[in-house]
Amino acid sequence: EAGVVQSPRYKIIEKKQPVAFWCNPISGHNTLYWYLQNLGQGPELLIRYENEEAVDDSQLPKDRFSAERLKGVDSTLKIQPAELGDSAVYLCASSSPRGNTGELFFGEGSRLTVL
Amino acid sequence: AQKVTQAQTEISVVEKEDVTLDCVYETRDTTYYLFWYKQPPSGELVFLIRRNSFDEQNEISGRYSWNFQKSTSSFNFTITASQVVDSAVYFCALLSSNSGYALNFGKGTSLLVTP
Repeated sequence: EAGVVQSPRYKIIEKKQPVAFWCNPISGHNTLYWYLQNLGQGPELLIRYENEEAVDDSQLPKDRFSAERLKGVDSTLKIQPAELGDSAVYLCASSSPRGNTGELFFGEGSRLTVL
Repeated sequence: AQKVTQAQTEISVVEKEDVTLDCVYETRDTTYYLFWYKQPPSGELVFLIRRNSFDEQNEISGRYSWNFQKSTSSFNFTITASQVVDSAVYFCALLSSNSGYALNFGKGTSLLVTP
């Protein structure tokens, strides 16, 4: 079974440019998460989807960040415009429909460098 | 408030040594879950274990063991006879209703096992 797939793995952009990250969760997983991981820190939740509904986006900086999961499968996280402080790893994770068990399956992440 | 503290930033051991990774948590919830995740250099976090707050039994899985003590709010992780492949960053995490059922990660402990 394929795991969580993210792309791109690496992205280097100049500040003020837009950037988008894509995530394909494990088949059948209706819950999808985007996490932000700064260097030397643990992941922090940005947004959580149940199917196509964003059920927790309280930590998403909505002035420049947006996310969508239109058909309840793939998801895209966008930053526009990017700032220097956005340099980090953006992790996508998914979990099965068995409830809030905390057993998440993570992708390898998208590492963003903003110059 | 929800908080997970991993006081050890980096640990270095020689292969075959035993090593214990500490985790202390704070929560006002009576029902909560504790986790350990492993993040190898590839970047993908891997689920290791989940314990609920009502089950203080210690658990052993191969060379891995976990000691959960509610009296000290600790959930420590021991690797016996460490191997080079155990080198990774290990995260302790907490999940509860007060966190909106989002995983609250510690800052992680980087473990280096040398031959």
